[in-house]
Amino acid sequence: EIVLTQSPATLSLSPGERATLSCRASQSVSSYLAWYQQKPGQAPRLLIYDASNRATGIPARFSGSGSGTDFTLTISGLEPEDFAVYYCQQRRDWLCSFGQGTKLEIK
Amino acid sequence: QVQLVESGGGVVQPGRSLRLSCAASGFTFRNYGMHWVRQAPGKGLEWVAVIWYDGSKKYYADSVMGRFTISRDNSRNTVSLQMDSLRAEDTAVYYCARDPGAQNDYWGQGILVTVSS
Repeated sequence: EIVLTQSPATLSLSPGERATLSCRASQSVSSYLAWYQQKPGQAPRLLIYDASNRATGIPARFSGSGSGTDFTLTISGLEPEDFAVYYCQQRRDWLCSFGQGTKLEIK
Repeated sequence: QVQLVESGGGVVQPGRSLRLSCAASGFTFRNYGMHWVRQAPGKGLEWVAVIWYDGSKKYYADSVMGRFTISRDNSRNTVSLQMDSLRAEDTAVYYCARDPGAQNDYWGQGILVTVSS
């Protein structure tokens, strides 16, 4: 089983600032790493797939990088609607797994 | 457009069973593997199970192995999750999903299962 560890657990920033979220895998997942945003009462929304590709309709301020075991989601210039919980997810094999989440809150 | 609609949730006593279904439309269902993902109240996302496009292979999270069974009916475009020996810790919103993490992923709206006496 591949374990994903996200850091930090909580990130407190102000609108306009840059957010950097990390995800580390217990073994290589190649580039099969996705990032999701989730707001209360909603299903997760795909932001980034295959480590660095923005999903359809996702603003350019969201970017992903990394490969192997270390990945980063960067949000450049936080908008009020970006404050939410973010999850990384791997699909290297059929047994997917998710990180525990990073809560991005308004400072 | 692609739609995934879950049904079958509700309140159930510990040790009892419940069957969730997910009706798919808007795509060629038989071509895709399907997943169940759950989220306990106030907690993170947990992958539960996957079934291959043709039903030939199934995989489960350790937490549900031996208690949950995933199945599909490609003639009816449905995927199901039979949940037996339910525990309080199975209380969650359950989502069915197509290709989670891939470019064209789709999720249902989720359905709540509450295990309580």
